[in-house]
Amino acid sequence: DGGITQSPKYLFRKEGQNVTLSCEQNLNHDAMYWYRQDPGQGLRLIYYSQIVNDFQKGDIAEGYSVSREKKESFPLTVTSAQKNPTAFYLCASSSRGQGETQYFGPGTRLLVL
Amino acid sequence: DAKTTQPPSMDCAEGRAANLPCNHSTISGNEYVYWYRQIHSQGPQYIIHGLKNNETNEMASLIITEDRKSSTLILPHATLRDTAVYYCIVRAYSGAGSYQLTFGKGTKLSVIP
Repeated sequence: DGGITQSPKYLFRKEGQNVTLSCEQNLNHDAMYWYRQDPGQGLRLIYYSQIVNDFQKGDIAEGYSVSREKKESFPLTVTSAQKNPTAFYLCASSSRGQGETQYFGPGTRLLVL
Repeated sequence: DAKTTQPPSMDCAEGRAANLPCNHSTISGNEYVYWYRQIHSQGPQYIIHGLKNNETNEMASLIITEDRKSSTLILPHATLRDTAVYYCIVRAYSGAGSYQLTFGKGTKLSVIP
């Protein structure tokens, strides 16, 4: 079954703790993205990656880090420097071959204890 | 990317057609119109996109005015499962395989039994 998977569905973070959100895709897409969504708001871009071993900051990259060691994986780490991490995190991917349409995963909801 | 304007909410009776409008009066000639929807606590789902011509797929139809300043998403026979927030987005084809999607607040469609 092709698609984008995110895990876990819910994640709890303690103060001062780093946590990593997983995003995997088996669509053979080159580009991958991380967005953040706050209640009642639209999505804001955190980081994106066009190819393996390359990534760029989006509008709200402070307090986050990413890696792209494999084409199918784009994990996001929420560091202790992110002072307001409680949000819904969405991963997406796209491909030139499919008209660049972005497809989204189911999301991870991060809550701070 | 051009800004879009959508009504904040709409109701539709189950089984009837849902017509969701979107204004994009500053759209450029190379910008596409995309529609996504987001059911509560899920990732956005791609619906349809178009440039100039009307488009139809298994989910919906997209009607774009001749001057391209507005469009309408049509769900031909709305069901309760179509209750969601619908986002209209315009963006240029980047050619590089990656780009940022700018989501506004969308239209909350409520399908009523």
